[in-house]
Amino acid sequence: AQSVTQLDSQVPVFEEAPVELRCNYSSSVSVYLFWYVQYPNQGLQLLLKYLSGSTLVESINGFEAEFNKSQTSFHLRKPSVHISDTAEYFCAVSGKLYNQGGKLIFGQGTELSVKP
Amino acid sequence: DTGVSQNPRHKITKRGQNVTFRCDPISEHNRLYWYRQTLGQGPEFLTYFQNEAQLEKSRLLSDRFSAERPKGSFSTLEIQRTEQGDSAMYLCASSLRRKNTEAFFGQGTRLTVV
Repeated sequence: AQSVTQLDSQVPVFEEAPVELRCNYSSSVSVYLFWYVQYPNQGLQLLLKYLSGSTLVESINGFEAEFNKSQTSFHLRKPSVHISDTAEYFCAVSGKLYNQGGKLIFGQGTELSVKP
Repeated sequence: DTGVSQNPRHKITKRGQNVTFRCDPISEHNRLYWYRQTLGQGPEFLTYFQNEAQLEKSRLLSDRFSAERPKGSFSTLEIQRTEQGDSAMYLCASSLRRKNTEAFFGQGTRLTVV
């Protein structure tokens, strides 16, 4: 079984400041790791994913996350945020046994609020 | 390809009524998932299909809930005798049964039971 803990429920930050959204997971098997973003009244959009290989993964809009196996973490970072980054961010894991990134276990979410 | 489509987007129903939601996955995707998301929480897995076979159901899926995917294409999720605790966003996702593929989510159906 897997579980995901997002350590901050809300993160307020000023525009152009750096941000880190923290995610820790627990699993008895190897996992794939994901960050999804959800805008108000919308579904989830994949932001980035770690499947294998380099432990640092990047998104097209400047976010990055690093898989740390020893600390079982997958924190999300951005060096300079924009107003448009305001959204709910979910960390999720999928056991490699399922081999498809489909059945996901989500954290409770972190609300990122970017202020001008 | 228009992505995963869910209908209706919003549903308000009286307690005790039955409701049905529909999900149309991305056309070539053979896996389809249902999740439930309550306010302030992350999505919780309910069930998934591979083609028309329902391969797993969460304990969250009580006997009032039933899901079908009759021809391995679209899926329906029915809730019978709705309760106020059923109020939530119901999300559908689809994926390919292939290594390293991701799940694509629809915009969800928001159910309000009054």
